Amino acid sequence: QQPVQSPQAVILREGEDAVINCSSSKALYSVHWYRQKHGEAPVFLMILLKGGEQKGHEKISASFNEKKQQSSLYLTASQLSYSGTYFCGTERGAAGNKLTFGGGTRVLVKP
Amino acid sequence: NAGVTQTPKFQVLKTGQSMTLQCAQDMNHNSMYWYRQDPGMGLRLIYYSASEGTTDKGEVPNGYNVSRLNKREFSLRLESAAPSQTSVYFCASSKGLQGARADTQYFGPGTRLTVL
Repeated sequence: QQPVQSPQAVILREGEDAVINCSSSKALYSVHWYRQKHGEAPVFLMILLKGGEQKGHEKISASFNEKKQQSSLYLTASQLSYSGTYFCGTERGAAGNKLTFGGGTRVLVKP
Repeated sequence: NAGVTQTPKFQVLKTGQSMTLQCAQDMNHNSMYWYRQDPGMGLRLIYYSASEGTTDKGEVPNGYNVSRLNKREFSLRLESAAPSQTSVYFCASSKGLQGARADTQYFGPGTRLTVL
C-alpha cells in the first residue's frame, strides 16, 4: 500500500525551514528518501531503518517514528538547490529492498 | 563509471507495436529494478531482479516482460503497447548482497515513452 506524503507542495523563501512527512499504515523496515528535479532521475538522499540507524546525506536531517510508522524529512535553512520533488519509498520487513513510493512533495525555494 | 544507463531516451510507438527498453549498470550491482512514473505521480515498481538469473513481479507487471541478460543488463519489453503505458520508465540498481535490505538504489536517466 502506497505511503502518504504531506504536504503535497510547499513554497519557501531561501533560508526558511520545512518538514515533509511520510506515513504508512503498515509496519516498516526502512524508509528511503529521494529528490527528483524536473526531467531528471531521482537522487538518493537518505535511508532510515527501524532501530534508529541512518545512512545517507550528511547535510540532510530526517527521523523515523516506528510507533507511528512515520518518517519526516527536515529541510533546514533551505537553499535554492533544495527545489524539486521529494519522494519517500517504504520497505517492509520481508520485501528485500522492494520499495513502494509515495506520491511526492513538490518543494519550491524562492530567492 | 557511467552508473546506470538507459536506451533509448525517447520513443514514440503506435498502439500494438512492441519494443524493448535497455538498461545497463557498471557498478557490479546484483539487484536491478524497472519503475514507471506517470505525470505528477510517484514511482511504481514493474519488475525487479534480485540477482542474475532471477526476476519477480512488482506492483504493476501487466503488459510487460523482463530479461536479466547478465549481471550488467536488465531489459524491459512491451509486447503490444497501449496508450496506458505512456510514461517515463526508470531503471535502477543496488548492491543487493544476499538478503540485503535498506539498500541504496541508483537510478538511470529514464526513457520517455509515448504510445499513440
